[in-house]
Amino acid sequence: AQSVTQLDSHVSVSEGTPVLLRCNYSSSYSPSLFWYVQHPNKGLQLLLKYTSAATLVKGINGFEAEFKKSETSFHLTKPSAHMSDAAEYFCVVSDLQGGKLIFGQGTELSVKP
Amino acid sequence: GAGVSQSPSNKVTEKGKDVELRCDPISGHTALYWYRQSLGQGLEFLIYFQGNSAPDKSGLPSDRFSAERTGGSVSTLTIQRTQQEDSAVYLCASSPQGTLNYGYTFGSGTRLTVV
Repeated sequence: AQSVTQLDSHVSVSEGTPVLLRCNYSSSYSPSLFWYVQHPNKGLQLLLKYTSAATLVKGINGFEAEFKKSETSFHLTKPSAHMSDAAEYFCVVSDLQGGKLIFGQGTELSVKP
Repeated sequence: GAGVSQSPSNKVTEKGKDVELRCDPISGHTALYWYRQSLGQGLEFLIYFQGNSAPDKSGLPSDRFSAERTGGSVSTLTIQRTQQEDSAVYLCASSPQGTLNYGYTFGSGTRLTVV
């Protein structure tokens, strides 16, 4: 079975500093991995996805994530945080069996001015 | 439509009543999913429809929950005899083929409050 663990429930950074949101996955085969963002009272938006192509994946709004098989990690990064990045971020692994997505518990990102 | 549409956006119901939540997926998307997001929790998979195949109901928490998808398009999630623990945001998502290489587009959800 697939699973995903987000290592931090809450991350706080200052505006203009780097962002690192950590995610580890467990899968018995080569997984597909996603990061979704959820702003307050908004729907989930796909940030980026890894589907066995390039291991460094670039997404929207300057975010990127690197798939590291040896570390079973898919951490999300951004060089410089903006106030508008404050939101809940979900790391997600796919379940090949049914195509359904398995969500992590989420990381709340706060950005201080 | 341009996105996944869910209605109502908010629903308050009395304990014991039945409720129906509606999802209108993106036109042409063959896969449709229902998830539940409880306060402070991640997303919990409920049910998955793919084309004309039998739905994957493995995530439904009890027999009070059911869902159908008519004509391969609109889906309705029904909760019978609602309980307070059913209070959550119910999210619907659709995907072009339900496979790994496509993104899943989520609706804005229905916030259900059982009082």
